[in-house]
Amino acid sequence: GAVVSQHPSWVICKSGTSVKIECRSLDFQATTMFWYRQFPKQSLMLMATSNEGSKATYEQGVEKDKFLINHASLTLSTLTVTSAHPEDSSFYICSARGLGDRLYEQYFGPGTRLTVT
Amino acid sequence: QLLEQSPQFLSIQEGENLTVYCNSSSVFSSLQWYRQEPGEGPVLLIALYKAGELTSNGRLTAQFGITRKDSFLNISASIPSDVGIYFCAGQLKAAGNKLTFGGGTRVLVKP
Repeated sequence: GAVVSQHPSWVICKSGTSVKIECRSLDFQATTMFWYRQFPKQSLMLMATSNEGSKATYEQGVEKDKFLINHASLTLSTLTVTSAHPEDSSFYICSARGLGDRLYEQYFGPGTRLTVT
Repeated sequence: QLLEQSPQFLSIQEGENLTVYCNSSSVFSSLQWYRQEPGEGPVLLIALYKAGELTSNGRLTAQFGITRKDSFLNISASIPSDVGIYFCAGQLKAAGNKLTFGGGTRVLVKP
């Protein structure tokens, strides 16, 4: 149990275009989903937290107009990188947290590698 | 960094034991250990919730410090597939239980 999927697993786009990444919890309802970014040989950095039906909360330094997050249901959250630039190239990972006894456990998706040319 | 991990890199021979440490000046409501392989997301190994809690998962053993500020992860009888980056991650109640990651420990197991 506790499987989180991401789509696509990798994407290449041209500078100035927008890219949408989907995150789904497959076998549990995720009250909260998180989006992280990871640069090569670095740790995961939290970008934003989203609760179903609410606006996302962004970490300091993360542009909310550039990284649009929608958490439309208890199993789906999307991250849209708008007007992408080469410096946005990174590994984006989502995670989901469920209800009840598993309130403190977070399960991560496989990640999406974004390359902006 | 809120969570300091040590060592940053560990190269051991197959069959040896290894221990990774995680320390902070902050008190965490829970502490979790993850392993990440290249190009993949982190996989939860062990989650710790109580002060002093000692938990095992196969060859893995982890303990949450009495003060809830530190932890260690021990892997016994290492095998080549233990290779990867190990992260500790803590949840702070004051920060809405968001996970904060340590810097990671890169583990290499030589056959």
